[in-house]
Amino acid sequence: NAGVTQTPKFRILKIGQSMTLQCTQDMNHNYMYWYRQDPGMGLKLIYYSVGAGITDKGEVPNGYNVSRSTTEDFPLRLELAAPSQTSVYFCASSYSPPGQGYHTGELFFGEGSRLTVL
Amino acid sequence: GIQVEQSPPDLILQEGANSTLRCNFSDSVNNLQWFHQNPWGQLINLFYIPSGTKQNGRLSATTVATERYSLLYISSSQTTDSGVYFCAVELNQAGTALIFGKGTTLSVSS
Repeated sequence: NAGVTQTPKFRILKIGQSMTLQCTQDMNHNYMYWYRQDPGMGLKLIYYSVGAGITDKGEVPNGYNVSRSTTEDFPLRLELAAPSQTSVYFCASSYSPPGQGYHTGELFFGEGSRLTVL
Repeated sequence: GIQVEQSPPDLILQEGANSTLRCNFSDSVNNLQWFHQNPWGQLINLFYIPSGTKQNGRLSATTVATERYSLLYISSSQTTDSGVYFCAVELNQAGTALIFGKGTTLSVSS
């Protein structure tokens, strides 16, 4: 049982390059999230998904895209990397019983991906 | 959107001391969790506590949902308690997600 797995752990990009951060979970969780954490700051929600085929914007979605084609995977795409996207990115997942209408599950995080854009 | 305020922003303790961390939130929530981020950046879920009181070893947490605050108590602190403690809340409505406060940075020295 690996939990939440993120790859890569470290990456350096040049301005304008594109990349995808991968996230997979093996806990059969329906909710998945992407957060970013800037130095000395809290976590900001980028995007989240309440189930396969459903995604929604969080607090800071500009410059990112996501997809959720399976329950297990929730990749985060950066299309045109900018220095402002230098950050540590965390993927997380949780479970809530379907149809409950709101989220009740405990959140489990991956180990993070440190991205630098130069 | 919902506001989450944590206090104090920084806390320095001697080993063995007790501490209380506070989380205030601006709206009704159905989900509140406390997390510890260790010095290596790993985030660990401490408590899922939308209301009531829970205890886990030297740590305990209380949420008073009607008054919109939660408290995290750390007793007999150890150097391994150092790191950042985050409170995260979710609005009491469908289709939302956890929003984090800015955290309390705790440093415990021996």
